[in-house]
Amino acid sequence: GEDVEQSLFLSVREGDSSVINCTYTDSSSTYLYWYKQEPGAGLQLLTYIFSNMDMKQDQRLTVLLNKKDKHLSLRIADTQTGDSAIYFCAESNAGTYKYIFGTGTRLKVLA
Amino acid sequence: DGGITQSPKYLFRKEGQNVTLSCEQNLNHDAMYWYRQDPGQGLRLIYYSQIVNDFQKGDIAEGYSVSREKKESFPLTVTSAQKNPTAFYLCASSGRDSDTEAFFGQGTRLTVV
Repeated sequence: GEDVEQSLFLSVREGDSSVINCTYTDSSSTYLYWYKQEPGAGLQLLTYIFSNMDMKQDQRLTVLLNKKDKHLSLRIADTQTGDSAIYFCAESNAGTYKYIFGTGTRLKVLA
Repeated sequence: DGGITQSPKYLFRKEGQNVTLSCEQNLNHDAMYWYRQDPGQGLRLIYYSQIVNDFQKGDIAEGYSVSREKKESFPLTVTSAQKNPTAFYLCASSGRDSDTEAFFGQGTRLTVV
């Protein structure tokens, strides 16, 4: 079945760039998403990329998609302490009404 | 403001009791979802509904039940048959096609005492 994998932890210093990686198995994915979860809260959409795109930039966020390798990454420039959270990668396939989420990467930003 | 609301935020249940978690949305979304979140396991799909009066089992439906009598509401019942119900439960909704983002509620933390 479909699977989405992420590393569990990432620690960076304030001001550095963070890169969170994700791999997925469903080659028919239509959209790929990055969500952010703060402690005790729901998930908020950060950005998404359509599967026929290679890159998307949105202010401090850059998403790179390597469709051949089924690899997605989220780069956060100038990481701040407020960026500390869990980041989830997710994929969806048009028409299935299902989103598949990764395990989440806990980002810790050190002052 | 449009959004998706879960209640209560915290819920305690005695072993052997059923409990119902509420999820309401005013986004006019057709699809609604229930996920369970455990540490280190990400989100696992319990049930989802594409339209009123219809719903499908997700990956971990055993011990749970849902109903979808109204478009706005998708309550989840955690039954006594669920062996390990202590978890964080997230409700979400999305438009007709799954290539639109899913909007999430703030979650309900259920603890069995």
